[in-house]
Amino acid sequence: DIVMTQSPDSLTVSLGERATINCKSSQSIYSSNNKNYLGWYQQKPGQPPKLLIYWASTRESGVPDRFSGSGSGTDFTLTISSLQAEDVAVYYCQQYYSTPPAFGQGTKLEIK
Amino acid sequence: EVQLLESGGGVVRPGGSLRLSCVGSGFTFDDYGMSWVRQAPGKGLEWVSSLNWFGGSTGYADSVKGRFTISRDNAKNSLYLQMNSLRPDDTALYYCARGDIAVAPTDYWGQGILVTVSS
Repeated sequence: DIVMTQSPDSLTVSLGERATINCKSSQSIYSSNNKNYLGWYQQKPGQPPKLLIYWASTRESGVPDRFSGSGSGTDFTLTISSLQAEDVAVYYCQQYYSTPPAFGQGTKLEIK
Repeated sequence: EVQLLESGGGVVRPGGSLRLSCVGSGFTFDDYGMSWVRQAPGKGLEWVSSLNWFGGSTGYADSVKGRFTISRDNAKNSLYLQMNSLRPDDTALYYCARGDIAVAPTDYWGQGILVTVSS
């Protein structure tokens, strides 16, 4: 089974500053179709998860362009270029390369 | 507008059974695989089960295999999760999600339904 590990577990960033969350998979999730099978979700308190990024770097429709995803193979990053108050949430990466699909443990993002 | 509405949760004793339902609207239900994902109180997300558009291909987490059964009725735009031999560690908020999360990202999630297993 593929294990997803996020870092850090929690992150405190000032408004307007950059936030970076890392995700590492225990084996490559890059396929011969040139896609990385990696998604990023945002979960605000009391709400279901919301898809932000898929295929590691494709932004879901309606997601602000301050959110971006990067990386390939086993190492991935979610970047929020200029943190807004509404971005306070827990962020999860998830691989859909192989069964069982696996989530990272989550990164809690707070405002400094 | 895409909507997913879960029902059927509640409190059940260890060893008991529950059947969760999820009704989808605002999209062509049988165009999509579907998934159940759960979240224990204060914990992260855990995949439970998925199936493809017609229910012919299913997958289960090891933690529920042999106890839970996923199914769908496309005529009723409905997804189900039959949960038997429930254990206290099955206590969680259960989300229905559009898409087979084992092969693709899931773009819509229900609000979740709480299952509590306690004596």
